[in-house]
Amino acid sequence: DAGVTQSPTHLIKTRGQQVTLRCSPKSGHDTVSWYQQALGQGPQFIFQYYEEEERQRGNFPDRFSGHQFPNYSSELNVNALLLGDSALYLCASSPTHTNEKLFFGSGTQLSVL
Amino acid sequence: KQEVTQIPAALSVPEGENLVLNCSFTDSAIYNLQWFRQDPGKGLTSLLLIQSSQREQTSGRLNASLDKSSGRSTLYIAASQPGDSATYLCALNYGGATNKLIFGTGTLLAVQP
Repeated sequence: DAGVTQSPTHLIKTRGQQVTLRCSPKSGHDTVSWYQQALGQGPQFIFQYYEEEERQRGNFPDRFSGHQFPNYSSELNVNALLLGDSALYLCASSPTHTNEKLFFGSGTQLSVL
Repeated sequence: KQEVTQIPAALSVPEGENLVLNCSFTDSAIYNLQWFRQDPGKGLTSLLLIQSSQREQTSGRLNASLDKSSGRSTLYIAASQPGDSATYLCALNYGGATNKLIFGTGTLLAVQP
């Protein structure tokens, strides 16, 4: 079992550009959540997907959007990048409507210059 | 607004010491609480999950307790080892089975050999 996999591991972009991050959930998991972790901070919830729809959203602007595919994998898109978007982006998966532990991927480190 | 505070922000101990990490929260209507470990630049590994109806959970040298009435959780690490060096994060789930987590800012632990 590969666990939660994220790609790419590192990414460098410039202000104003757009970026797409990818996540494959752990086998048997159909819910994917995305978190943003700024340096020295705890992760902050961006949004959650299951059944290919956004189900919950944190306090993030519309520049942050996502998608879930029929195989449960997910993408996070960020438009019009700002310097403040530089962070570690973490994907977590779990089975839907359960109380099991979340499994996190290793993250994508995004640097906006 | 739920707030999660972790004290101390950083801790350095000699190998073999027992230690306690603290997590406090303002809203006691939690569904469950998780303790995570994060190595530098890496994703999160779930250590222990405590349901709201439970008082504590144990795994090996780790013991986590939960006191909802006082808004506190502690993570006890027995006989610390250099390999325990990492950032420890507590995360509260207020969203039930949706697993939307609110994280503290973490405690950076260094265990000196």
